[in-house]
Amino acid sequence: GEDVEQSLFLSVREGDSSVINCTYTDSSSTYLYWYKQEPGAGLQLLTYIFSNMDMKQDQRLTVLLNKKDKHLSLRIADTQTGDSAIYFCAEIILTGGGNKLTFGTGTQLKVEL
Amino acid sequence: GAGVSQSPSNKVTEKGKDVELRCDPISGHTALYWYRQSLGQGLEFLIYFQGNSAPDKSGLPSDRFSAERTGGSVSTLTIQRTQQEDSAVYLCASSLESAGGRETQYFGPGTRLLVL
Repeated sequence: GEDVEQSLFLSVREGDSSVINCTYTDSSSTYLYWYKQEPGAGLQLLTYIFSNMDMKQDQRLTVLLNKKDKHLSLRIADTQTGDSAIYFCAEIILTGGGNKLTFGTGTQLKVEL
Repeated sequence: GAGVSQSPSNKVTEKGKDVELRCDPISGHTALYWYRQSLGQGLEFLIYFQGNSAPDKSGLPSDRFSAERTGGSVSTLTIQRTQQEDSAVYLCASSLESAGGRETQYFGPGTRLLVL
C-alpha cells in the first residue's frame, strides 16, 4: 500500500534553517515532490526529486532523499516569515492507469520573529 | 492562461442539493486531476483524465460523485445529493504528458465547499 507520513508541526525562528521530514512506504515511487500551501491558497509546487537522485538544491531549498530508508527531507535555509505555510510531500508512482499523487499529511511550519 | 483556474472559489449548499465545480486547466495540458482536501482525510486523489483515454475514477468516494471533461479541456466535478461529509476543498491540477513519465502537476486555488 501507499502511505506518506510527515510530522504535523514545526516551529523555527526567523533566520534559522527548517528541516521538514517525510517517509513513504512504496519503493516503486519514481518522483517525489514538495508542495507549499499558504492559508486560503492552493498548492504551489516547490521542488521535486527523481528517485535515482539523493540530493537536489534550488536556492534556499535542499531536498535529500534516502531511498533505502524511504526518507525524504526538505531543508529551507535562512527561513523567513513568508515561509510560514503547510508543506506537503507527495509521491508519484508511474502506472499504466495514471500518475496520481499520494500526499503526506502536511507539516505546518511556523516562523517566529 | 496563466495557471489552473477553478470556479466557484466558495460554494455553500444545503444537504441534498447537487453542486457542480469547474476546472480550467493550463492551456496545452493533456492531463487533469481532481483532489479533495478535508480535515479528516487530508489530500485525497479523486479522478484523473488523460487525453481521450477512459478516466481513472478509482478515488471517487461514492457514486454520488462524477466528473467529465469536455473537449479535452474544461472539467466539471458533480456531486449529487450532497452530504455534510462532502464539505472540503476540491482541488484541480493539470499537467503535460511527458515521454519520460514525469508529469509535474500544477494546482488551482481550489473550491471550498460547505454543505449545511
